[in-house]
Amino acid sequence: DQQVKQNSPSLSVQEGRISILNCDYTNSMFDYFLWYKKYPAEGPTFLISISSIKDKNEDGRFTVFLNKSAKHLSLHIVPSQPGDSAVYFCAAYLAGGGNKLTFGTGTQLKVEL
Amino acid sequence: DGGITQSPKYLFRKEGQNVTLSCEQNLNHDAMYWYRQDPGQGLRLIYYSQIVNDFQKGDIAEGYSVSREKKESFPLTVTSAQKNPTAFYLCASSISSVNTEAFFGQGTRLTVV
Repeated sequence: DQQVKQNSPSLSVQEGRISILNCDYTNSMFDYFLWYKKYPAEGPTFLISISSIKDKNEDGRFTVFLNKSAKHLSLHIVPSQPGDSAVYFCAAYLAGGGNKLTFGTGTQLKVEL
Repeated sequence: DGGITQSPKYLFRKEGQNVTLSCEQNLNHDAMYWYRQDPGQGLRLIYYSQIVNDFQKGDIAEGYSVSREKKESFPLTVTSAQKNPTAFYLCASSISSVNTEAFFGQGTRLTVV
C-alpha cells in the first residue's frame, strides 16, 4: 500500500526551463512534507519542506506547492540546470506518528543541454 | 565533521548467512532509520527508532532485526529469513522533534550470492 506516490518515473527538461515534479498522497493525516534529491549510489540530500498549514514554500530555485484538498504536492525547479539531474523523492511525516518518515517511489529528472 | 557513517559501502554475503550493516551518527540525533531502495520501489522503511532502547517496525521489517543500545549506533541485521536481501540500504537520523529533515548516510550495497 503505497501511501506516497510519484506517478512519473522520469522527466526530461531542457536547461533553463521549469521542472515540475509531482507527488500524491493518500493519507490525510500526513502533516509535513519534504523533498529529497538523490544521486546514484549516494544517500538522499534534503532540498525543501512544507508544513500542511502552508500552501507554498520557496528556497532559491526550488518551490514546493501543497494542495491539501487534492492531496497533492509539487516541486518546481526554475531555471533547471544540468546539475539538477538526479532522482527526486517526496516524503511525508504522519501527524502523531512519531518520527515515521514515508517516501515516494521517486522521479528521475534529466536536464538536457 | 558531523554526519552519518555507514559501513561498508559494498558487502557480499552467501545466501543463508546473517549480515550486520553498521550505522553510526555523531549529530546527537535521537531518531534513526533504516530504509531499503530497490529499482522502481523508492525508499521503503524497514525499522526506525525514536530513542535509545526503543525501535518500531517499518513497512518491510520481516527478515530484519535492529538494536539501539547507544544513541550513536543503529545496526541492522539482515537475516537468512529475508527472501530478497540484495538491495541498497540507507540509514538516516533526525532530531527528536517531529517534522524535521532526516540526514542520510552514503548507503551500503548488499549483494547476496
